[in-house]
Amino acid sequence: DTEVTQTPKHLVMGMTNKKSLKCEQHMGHRAMYWYKQKAKKPPELMFVYSYEKLSINESVPSRFSPECPNSSLLNLHLHALQPEDSALYLCASSQVGVGEQFFGPGTRLTVL
Amino acid sequence: EDKVVQSPLSLVVHEGDTVTLNCSYEVTNFRSLLWYKQEKKAPTFLFMLTSSGIEKKSGRLSSILDKKELFSILNITATQTGDSAIYLCAVNYGGSQGNLIFGKGTKLSVKP
Repeated sequence: DTEVTQTPKHLVMGMTNKKSLKCEQHMGHRAMYWYKQKAKKPPELMFVYSYEKLSINESVPSRFSPECPNSSLLNLHLHALQPEDSALYLCASSQVGVGEQFFGPGTRLTVL
Repeated sequence: EDKVVQSPLSLVVHEGDTVTLNCSYEVTNFRSLLWYKQEKKAPTFLFMLTSSGIEKKSGRLSSILDKKELFSILNITATQTGDSAIYLCAVNYGGSQGNLIFGKGTKLSVKP
């Protein structure tokens, strides 16, 4: 299995809602990533997990809370988001220390 | 400051043309350079380059890295409308987590 899957594909939420984005891979990768991509911009790194431990948090607001319950799963918990948080959220995975990251299809998030 | 610069930002060609996309970088502790193609959703991996002067080839696409001059090029020969996409260059640098910094991308439009 050489695929990274993400659910849901689309999500619309209000500013008071709590929701979660999910990411799964079965390639045996021990590094997983969350990126945020706004329209016509490149992906911006949010979080990196290495061996299920958070290793990088790129100054992301606390309304985004990542979780890595096991080596195959990565979640992003969302709470009290703002309309400017609307974006495509991409998950990726790789072997630790290797640059080739495989991306999931993304979740298109709209915050009303 | 670490940065990746791509040029041109956009390009319009006709089917059958050959195009060259450019990527220059300034990063600390360079590890590898990657090219991705992004259509509507997630970036899909094209090439990873770690050594200077060794061309990587896949069908009509090829890429080469110059670590002395800190740049890479992506060539597409005999372009087709299906090549229309945003081409992202990313550099893996720094620590063991496989950090990627992306350029802004080159938007390629191939007209019939």
